[in-house]
Amino acid sequence: KNEVEQSPQNLTAQEGEFITINCSYSVGISALHWLQQHPGGGIVSLFMLSSGKKKHGRLIATINIQEKHSSLHITASHPRDSAVYICAVDPFGKDQFYFGTGTSLTVIP
Amino acid sequence: ETGVTQSPTHLIKTRGQQVTLRCSSQSGHNTVSWYQQALGQGPQFIFQYYREEENGRGNFPPRFSGLQFPNYSSELNVNALELDDSALYLCASSLGIGTGGEQYFGPGTRLTVT
Repeated sequence: KNEVEQSPQNLTAQEGEFITINCSYSVGISALHWLQQHPGGGIVSLFMLSSGKKKHGRLIATINIQEKHSSLHITASHPRDSAVYICAVDPFGKDQFYFGTGTSLTVIP
Repeated sequence: ETGVTQSPTHLIKTRGQQVTLRCSSQSGHNTVSWYQQALGQGPQFIFQYYREEENGRGNFPPRFSGLQFPNYSSELNVNALELDDSALYLCASSLGIGTGGEQYFGPGTRLTVT
């Protein structure tokens, strides 16, 4: 069983829709990261969370430490948001991550 | 300030051969972590180097080994390649360990073992 589970695995949305990607984890963590991976492999860090909520532009990330759950929301989705979104947890505070399998998002114009 | 770079971009090797992948970290970053990402999967942690010492290792056999140099660039070596080693290999650099700083990922090296 993977320590980090994401849902859904695949998601197709119409441009402008509100999108939610969920992440559940089974280990204690010092931080949770949301990452974006584009075709070809490049990974960009979107958020690092240890509690509460963070917002950057149209992206919002929340975490509930007690429930071991995090969500990534995209408001007013756009085709350029199409990518794989990956949740990663840092159990030991050493920047050594356990990753989810990713959610592949396609936003259709 | 340059980002994280990896070389080569793509590589094809035969089963049983050895391979060396290279990573140049973000300027000023002294920590490098290596990950293996099989097709359709999330990355798996291989090991981490901090100031030229291995600082943690995931569930990978000893034929996966690494080095970090005084300029904090790093190498990943894989001996006796197996078909299942075919994957995207990513490195990420950061400043310190557990400092809350961001990890910067390289573009990856795609290894194909035939």
